[in-house]
Formats: sequence, structure tokens, C-alpha cells
Amino acid sequence: QVQLQESGPGLVKPSETLSLICTVSGGSMSSHYWSWIRQPAGKGLEWLGRMYITGSTNYNPSLKSRVTMSVDTSKNHFSLKLSSVTAADTAVYYCARSFTEASLDDWGQGTLVTVSS
Amino acid sequence: DIQMTQSPSSLSASVGDRVTITCQASQDIRHYLNWYQQKPGKAPKLLIYDASNLETGVPSRFRGSGSGTDFTFTISSLQPEDIATYYCQQYDDLLTFGGGTKVEIK
Repeated sequence: QVQLQESGPGLVKPSETLSLICTVSGGSMSSHYWSWIRQPAGKGLEWLGRMYITGSTNYNPSLKSRVTMSVDTSKNHFSLKLSSVTAADTAVYYCARSFTEASLDDWGQGTLVTVSS
Repeated sequence: DIQMTQSPSSLSASVGDRVTITCQASQDIRHYLNWYQQKPGKAPKLLIYDASNLETGVPSRFRGSGSGTDFTFTISSLQPEDIATYYCQQYDDLLTFGGGTKVEIK
């Protein structure tokens, strides 16, 4: 059974870059899509983007200029960088694995990131 | 961008009631729609894919239907463990979620 675990700083200053890692255990990273999704407190889900194991990416157009995703299969890591953050980027951030481009099949437990000085 | 509009945003029903949630896409998304359940403090869980297909292990009281722009999610007999927020998600063009429907017990 695959497990996904998000990790990274819980507090980021405005204008800085948010960096998170998703560590994958119990399964291979190959032949899967890897996504990041976020959820502000009390609000809905927002898909940030995804990466396929080949390195190809798709980003949410509303965030495209600020988002970078990468994968390191040697470390079983999938990472997110979100630049120039503001308070509006405060949210629980989830990573997820997909077998296809269609759905988000397995999720991490999420990690709260607060943007504040 | 494709926008997904869910309604209602919240509902309260009794155990055993039939619960219906609708999801409308801003353009034709064929059958490219999934439904997720999110319990408080937990990550979402995929329940239904391709508009009407039940994920393995999901109780048969959950049902999805629709195509094009209009979709419906139904719980045929609400159970206490169904208390959650439900989201639709389209995948015709990247991924977009609906705003969610919070289901509570009356």
C-alpha cells in the first residue's frame, strides 16, 4: 500500500518561496502522475498542477507563473515550489498520486503552510 | 478554464434519507467527472470516476450520473458515516474542483 507524506516549513514569510516535498513509500514512482492540491481553511480544493515521471508538467493556469514541480526518483521524492507567496497561499497542501490524468487516486495526509511575517 | 458549480453548498438530512448533489460544468465535459468524499481533518477520497463508476470498496448507496454539463451525485440512504464534504472534479481540461457540498445529519 503506497503512502505519501508531505513535509516542509509550516511558516513562510510573504514574498518568499514555499517549498514542500512529498515522500513516497511502499510503491514505485514510475508510470504515475504526481499532483499537488491545496485547501485553505474552511474552503474548497484547488489543484495546483501535476508532473509525470518523464518530467512533463501541467500547471494550473492561475498559478503557472509561480509554480515549479520536480521529481527525484532516486529519493522517492516529489517536490513543489511556489514563489512570491502571500497570505492567500496559506492552506493545507496535499500531494497525490494518479494512475491516469483523470483522477487523484492516493493522497497524503496534508501539511499546513502559513504565510505570515 | 472550465468552471464547476456545485449545489447546494450544504445540506442537512436525516439518516435513511436520499441525498442529491448537483454539479454543473461551464462547458461540455462529456463524462469526464469524478466525485470525492472528504471527512473532517482528512484527505479527500475518490468515490466515483467517469461520472458513474464506483471505486472498488465504495458502498453501493453512492451513485453518480450525468454527462455533458450536468451531473448528479446521490446517496440513496444516508448513513452517519457519510457525514463529509463532497466534491466534483472535471478532467476534460486539466483538473478543476467544484466548490463542495457539506452533508450533515439533521
